Amino acid sequence: AQSVTQLDSHVSVSEGTPVLLRCNYSSSYSPSLFWYVQHPNKGLQLLLKYTSAATLVKGINGFEAEFKKSETSFHLTKPSAHMSDAAEYFCVVSGETGNQFYFGTGTSLTVIP
Amino acid sequence: GAVVSQHPSRVICKSGTSVKIECRSLDFQATTMFWYRQFPKQSLMLMATSNEGSKATYEQGVEKDKFLINHASLTLSTLTVTSAHPEDSSFYICSARRQGVWGNQPQHFGDGTRLSIL
Repeated sequence: AQSVTQLDSHVSVSEGTPVLLRCNYSSSYSPSLFWYVQHPNKGLQLLLKYTSAATLVKGINGFEAEFKKSETSFHLTKPSAHMSDAAEYFCVVSGETGNQFYFGTGTSLTVIP
Repeated sequence: GAVVSQHPSRVICKSGTSVKIECRSLDFQATTMFWYRQFPKQSLMLMATSNEGSKATYEQGVEKDKFLINHASLTLSTLTVTSAHPEDSSFYICSARRQGVWGNQPQHFGDGTRLSIL
């Protein structure tokens, strides 16, 4: 069975400081993993995806994530937070056929000026 | 690329009204589309998987007669909330996957529809 755990429901950082949003997964096969961002009253925008190629994945808006199989983790990072990064972030693992998406519970990122 | 358009973005209507929400993949063909419901401060809850030309697959606990899904073409799926009541008020989001590609392809999401039933 597949599942995703986002370890922090809320993260607050100061503008210009690094961002770390944590995600752990469990899967019975080699998973595909995604990070999405959701701004208020909007749909989800794909930030980046891991699909069994390079373990360090670069996404949009300066975000990146590293797939660590030994730790079953896929943490999202950004070197320097911007005010526009304030949003809800979801870590997602796909099912074996790709038609099932398993969502984490989300992490709300606050950026303090 | 991979743009999904969802319409309307917001609906306010009286109890008992039926409401139709459209989800379109604008620049790709989507064999499969998904409908989610999101409650405030919560993650997305999958309601149903919509396959072009066949009946939708509903998740456990979702009333198929209440939430009618039609996927008549490779670029359009609709969700109709029939005889809506205040408890149906929510944020509904659709997503789509590219045709013929499995496994590692992401879902692309619409901007959601805020449904408010008075």
